[in-house]
This record gives sequence, structure tokens and C-alpha cells, in this order.
Amino acid sequence: GAGVSQSPSNKVTEKGKDVELRCDPISGHTALYWYRQSLGQGLEFLIYFQGNSAPDKSGLPSDRFSAERTGGSVSTLTIQRTQQEDSAVYLCASSSGGSYVRETQYFGPGTRLLVL
Amino acid sequence: AQTVTQSQPEMSVQEAETVTLSCTYDTSENNYYLFWYKQPPSRQMILVIRQEAYKQQNATENRFSVNFQKAAKSFSLKISDSQLGDTAMYFCAFMTRGAQKLVFGQGTRLTINP
Repeated sequence: GAGVSQSPSNKVTEKGKDVELRCDPISGHTALYWYRQSLGQGLEFLIYFQGNSAPDKSGLPSDRFSAERTGGSVSTLTIQRTQQEDSAVYLCASSSGGSYVRETQYFGPGTRLLVL
Repeated sequence: AQTVTQSQPEMSVQEAETVTLSCTYDTSENNYYLFWYKQPPSRQMILVIRQEAYKQQNATENRFSVNFQKAAKSFSLKISDSQLGDTAMYFCAFMTRGAQKLVFGQGTRLTINP
């Protein structure tokens, strides 16, 4: 079946503007994750959604970052008032609810964000 | 806090050779999972292999195998008969059972030369 998809593939924005990044998980996957990959910080966890439970937001770097997941499927990561240090690749992953494979996360191709 | 260390920023080998990528981790947990992911220039993170900490047997997937040393907190990846398509960044990752978030190492850039 189809894998995790993300849009846009690339995004260039000006400092101070808001951006929205979208993630479509694998159909039937109940868990969804956002990570950020930057040169200085490597790969960092941002936020995790599991079904209808409250999301784990412990990795969000500031209150300019937020994410939602509508209908238990598509997720949007929003960055308000973007700063140059927000430039990075934003990766989305999903995993299924099966007891054996639940812990394996499958990644999308990422969105490369450049803040000028 | 859990940490993952990959001590080899870059490696380069000839096609058909065997190469081993190193990974060590630090945790006080007993139940956890370890992963190797591959990230080619396309940016897509691809799962290469996974290991459950409670299993003593090392995981194997075709040309890829791991050497899991739980006491030493070491999790190396061996690639046999390397191919040009193996050229990529390789990330070692750790997850505590139930924690649901991956902790990644800094990555090793592997180049397979013809």
C-alpha cells in the first residue's frame, strides 16, 4: 500500500511568516510522529499522536510550534512567526497498533523548510 | 536521558566489501528496541533492521546483520557484499518500550565506491 506522504516537498518562506506542513500517514496507522532534522541538532522528536489520546508535545521547541491531527488521520504541523533557525527537514512517521510491529515507525520523504 | 552515539561520521568502502557501522547507547531501561535506518539522498528514512533488547539472537535481514551486545550497550550494523545502492546516511536509533519516540544518533555517511 501507499507509504507516508508529506507536502510540500520543499518550502521557502520569509522570516516572520507562518507555515503549515502536512502529513498523510499509512492507512490504518493509529500513531503519528513529527521529527525535525537539522544540521546542528540532528534528528529530534517533536510531537506524537496516538489515536484519540492527548498528544505528547514534549519535543516542541517553542510555543510557535503546534500540530493537530484531524479525524485520526492527516496531521498538520504549524510554525508561526518563522525564524531562520527553523530551517530544517521536517519528517513525519506513522506506526500501526499491532502488538508486534507497533514500535516500528515508517517515515515519509520529509518537507525541507528554508526560512530566509 | 537516553543517548545514542555513532562515532564514525563518515566511512567509505569498495563495492562487494563488508563494512561495520558502530553504535553505542546509554540507558537505564531494560526493555527497549534498537533500529538502524538508512537515509539516501532522497531523504526517505528506510528501516534497515530492528532488534528487541530481550532477544539474545542477533537480527539479520539478507545482507544486513547486527551485533547486539546488551551488557556493553553496543549495537553495530554489518553490511555484507556492499552494493552501490547502499550509499546513504545510516542512523542508529533507540526507543524505550512504551515511550513511542525514537532517539537518534548523529549518523554515519557511508559511501560505496565502484
